[in-house]
Amino acid sequence: QKEVEQDPGPLSVPEGAIVSLNCTYSNSAFQYFMWYRQYSRKGPELLMYTYSSGNKEDGRFTAQVDKSSKYISLFIRDSQPSDSATYLCATHNTDKLIFGTGTRLQVFP
Amino acid sequence: DGGITQSPKYLFRKEGQNVTLSCEQNLNHDAMYWYRQDPGQGLRLIYYSQIVNDFQKGDIAEGYSVSREKKESFPLTVTSAQKNPTAFYLCASSIDHFTGLNTGELFFGEGSRLTVL
Repeated sequence: QKEVEQDPGPLSVPEGAIVSLNCTYSNSAFQYFMWYRQYSRKGPELLMYTYSSGNKEDGRFTAQVDKSSKYISLFIRDSQPSDSATYLCATHNTDKLIFGTGTRLQVFP
Repeated sequence: DGGITQSPKYLFRKEGQNVTLSCEQNLNHDAMYWYRQDPGQGLRLIYYSQIVNDFQKGDIAEGYSVSREKKESFPLTVTSAQKNPTAFYLCASSIDHFTGLNTGELFFGEGSRLTVL
């Protein structure tokens, strides 16, 4: 079993839709969780990180962690064509970050 | 502007040749990382360095080598021993390794795409 699992998509939605991106993880000891956005042919950039359970909001983006089910989510409200990218979740064990495979999102006008 | 600069953006190599990918940062970060990205596999850690003159193997270090002689520079050599080197290579840095792990605040370069002919 992979330590972090993520549906690769692609996910295609109309502009203005609410998008839900999800990951599951295997190790209940994981405490820190991150979401990165990666545009085509570019390096990833950190969108948000959360510690332990709960929600964190930043503008149109909300990150949610459910430690009881080992489930992490990123919600995008009022999605825009500029949100079209690959979204990677990540967490860390003792000495390295562990990334999901990424979900490709396409927001069409 | 502060950031990470990777070069070259695209590189073609014949089988049996070593190639070196450059990574330079002017962020004054202590920690630097090399990742490999393949379709459907996410980012996999090759090597990382927490401080000058020190580095550790990641999950897929076989066939790769690095050096960290200067704080700003962390070049990656893909050797002929790497069986499947065609991939997208990403360099990243963080202010220090602990911060990078806990906050995920890694700054990535734009990547180098290596193709073996």
